[in-house]
Order: sequence, then structure tokens, then C-alpha cells
Amino acid sequence: SQTIHQWPATLVQPVGSPLSLECTVEGTSNPNLYWYRQAAGRGLQLLFYSVGIGQISSEVPQNLSASRPQDRQFILSSKKLLLSDSGFYLCAWSWTGPNQPQHFGDGTRLSIL
Amino acid sequence: QKEVEQNSGPLSVPEGAIASLNCTYSDRGSQSFFWYRQYSGKSPELIMSIYSNGDKEDGRFTAQLNKASQYVSLLIRDSQPSDSATYLCAVRGAGSYQLTFGKGTKLSVIP
Repeated sequence: SQTIHQWPATLVQPVGSPLSLECTVEGTSNPNLYWYRQAAGRGLQLLFYSVGIGQISSEVPQNLSASRPQDRQFILSSKKLLLSDSGFYLCAWSWTGPNQPQHFGDGTRLSIL
Repeated sequence: QKEVEQNSGPLSVPEGAIASLNCTYSDRGSQSFFWYRQYSGKSPELIMSIYSNGDKEDGRFTAQLNKASQYVSLLIRDSQPSDSATYLCAVRGAGSYQLTFGKGTKLSVIP
């Protein structure tokens, strides 16, 4: 079976500090990978998705970036966090193909002080 | 812009009743439809997928899709307090990797 791991579970960072969130998937190869943010009282916002190593598509221009250095590893980064970056960050994976659902990791709750 | 609309609730139903959750979407070319359950402070969990018009049943859950009306719903029979959560509707457009999520309906099942 497939599992998705995300860490850390919670993170408190000062404004202007860097960020690195990591996500790994086990039990599958060549998955599609996704980063979402869920802000308080708002819906899930797709930030980035990847269909393969080194292939990143950005949905929302902002101070975040993503990388996929290995097939089952997806990293979300920032060089300098803003207050507005606070939220619940979720990594998800899906099989390739047109009708595949996405499966979420446990998420990282990020608070910016 | 693709939109998915849900009533934010809260929807309160007594234990044992049927809970009915509704979702409308704007992209007429949408092909895949999903319902996720999200407990407070947790990540979304997939509970149903539906791809063609009609009903799809899985245990106490029934998803209903009407593409002509651009409408998808989720029925929960014999609602339990453990069903209390926010239910997210998600829609994938034709040829797209993206899921567009609604903001969710908060369901409260009263013992």
C-alpha cells in the first residue's frame, strides 16, 4: 500500500526566516505530487504540482518555491517568510491518469510570528 | 475561472438521520468528482469518487452526479456523531491535473 509522509507536523517561524517542508511517498513510483495551502476559513489552494523529477508547475505566484529532487520526494521552500504564509500546508499524491483521486499527507501547520 | 460552490453550513442532523450535502460546479467539461472528509485540525480523507451520471453507493455513503445540472451530492445514511466533520467537494476539469475544491460544508451530527 501507499503511504505519504510529511514533516514537521507543526512549525513556528519568525517573519523573514527561510522554510523547508518535505514530503515523501512510499509504495508507488512516478506519482503526481501536489502542494496545497489551507488558510483559516478558506478553501484548499493548489500551490505547486509535479508530474516527474524536476518538473514543477506553479499555480500561484508568490514567495514560495517547490522542488522534486527524487521521484517520491517533494519539497516546499521559501527564502524569506511573510506573515501571510501562515496556514496548513498539505502534500498530496495521485497515480498518473485522468481520473485519479489525490491522497493527502497529515499536513504541516505553519505559524509565522 | 473554475468554481466549486458548497453551503458552508453548519448542517446539523440528529443521530440516525440522513445528511445531504450539495455541491455545484462551473466547469461544464469537468469529468471527475470527489468527496473528502476533514476532521478539525486534520488533513482531508477521500471518501467517495464518482465519474458518471447517477448514484454510487459505498456503505452508508451515496454520491450522486448530474452533469447536466452541474451538481454533485453526498448522502450519509444513519448519521453518526463520528461523521461530524467538514466535507469537501472536489472537481477535476477535462485534461487537467488540478482539483478545484469547494470551501466545504461543516456537518454536525447531534446524539
